Order: sequence, then C-alpha cells, then structure tokens
Amino acid sequence: QLQLQESGLGLVKALETLSLTCTVSGVSISTSNYYWGWIRQPPGKGLEWIGSIYNSGSTYYNPSLKSRVSISVETSTNQLSLKLNSVTAADTAVYYCARHSALNTLGWWYANWFGPWGQGTLVTVSS
Amino acid sequence: SSELTQDPAVSVALGQTVRITCQGDSLRDYYASWYQQKPGQAPVLVIYGRKNRPSGIPDRFSGSSSGNTASLTITGTQAEDEADYYCNSRDTSGNRVVFGGGTKLTVL
Repeated sequence: QLQLQESGLGLVKALETLSLTCTVSGVSISTSNYYWGWIRQPPGKGLEWIGSIYNSGSTYYNPSLKSRVSISVETSTNQLSLKLNSVTAADTAVYYCARHSALNTLGWWYANWFGPWGQGTLVTVSS
Repeated sequence: SSELTQDPAVSVALGQTVRITCQGDSLRDYYASWYQQKPGQAPVLVIYGRKNRPSGIPDRFSGSSSGNTASLTITGTQAEDEADYYCNSRDTSGNRVVFGGGTKLTVL
C-alpha cells in the first residue's frame, strides 16, 4: 500500500530556507511512472501547488514560486525533498506531498490528479 | 486569485443531491479532478480524469463537465460528506497546476 509521510522542521525563521522530506513507502520512486508533487495550504485557506518531479529528476514548478523552490528525489532512500528559500510569513502553511498522476497524448498533459497524499506537516515562519 | 472558480459554500439536506461546480476557461481543454477535505485531514481524491472514481470512493460521487464548467455531484448526500471540496486542473497555458478556491459543503 502506497503511503507518504512528510517530515522536517516545523518552525523556520524569516528569510531562511524551509526544508522538508517526504518518505514514500510501498512503491519505488525510481521505477514508478509517476510524478511526485508538493502542495501547500495556508491556515484556513485553499490549496496551492508548489511543484512536481518525475523519477528521472525532471521538475516543473509553480511560476509564482519558481525562483525560490527546489524539489529533488533521493532514490537510495525513496524520498523526495522540498526546499523553499527566503521564506516569509506568507509561506506559513501545511505542506503536503502526494503522488501526481497525469495523462498525456502527443505531449499534451490533458489530465492530472494527486493521490494519495501524506498527512501534511505544518511549517510556521517566525520573524 | 485562482483560475478555477468555486462557490465558497453550498448546503444540502441529508439524503438529497448536490452539485458543486468549478468554472474556468482551462476546463475546455483540461480535465478536472476533485478532492474532499475534512477538518484537520489531508485531501482525499474523489474524482479524477473528469469522471473516474478511485477505488474505495462511494458511487454516490460522480463527476461531469460541460464547456468551461466541471461538476461534482453527490447523490443521496450523507452526513459524513460534510467537508471542503476542491477542484484541480491546469491553467490555460497548461504550464501550471491549479486548484479552485474550495467549496464548503454543509449537510443540513
């Protein structure tokens, strides 16, 4: 059974780097034909996609965060990581990792969805 | 602001049918997926690829789409269906994954 679990520091100082890890169990990231994504949710607000990575290391990011974000995969530990630098209070949120499935035809990614999701981890940015 | 627009709140009487909608120009080209989120919990996928249900999701949940609007319909709504519901697709450029602002469903 596929499971995902986020971990990392729950408190980060403003202007520093947020670092989170997502441990995937039940499937090998390196051999699965899926993307793996990060999504966040500020307290009391909606969901925001941060970015996704394929097992080959190919990434794509939300343009609004692209200059500050990095997602990578560590195949030896079956984990994916998220780094977000120069954080501010606006980055305070619950951060989720999830399997990101997508369908494409001739390079046109016409469908995508996320599931299952990890339980999420709250990261608070302090001044 | 989100490129996918949802009504902030919808209510339905127990046992009745409710439709939750998601509007956006990108939905003419890209399929929607839907998620249920209960307080303090992670979202759960309930519909993907416009109308497909993952295993374990009750068949009272269904998805459809017409023009720039995707819909999630719950037939015979149960008390446990009270939750926030989010749609998800891509923006019109296809380069960004986007979520709707969410709809809070209240079961009366």
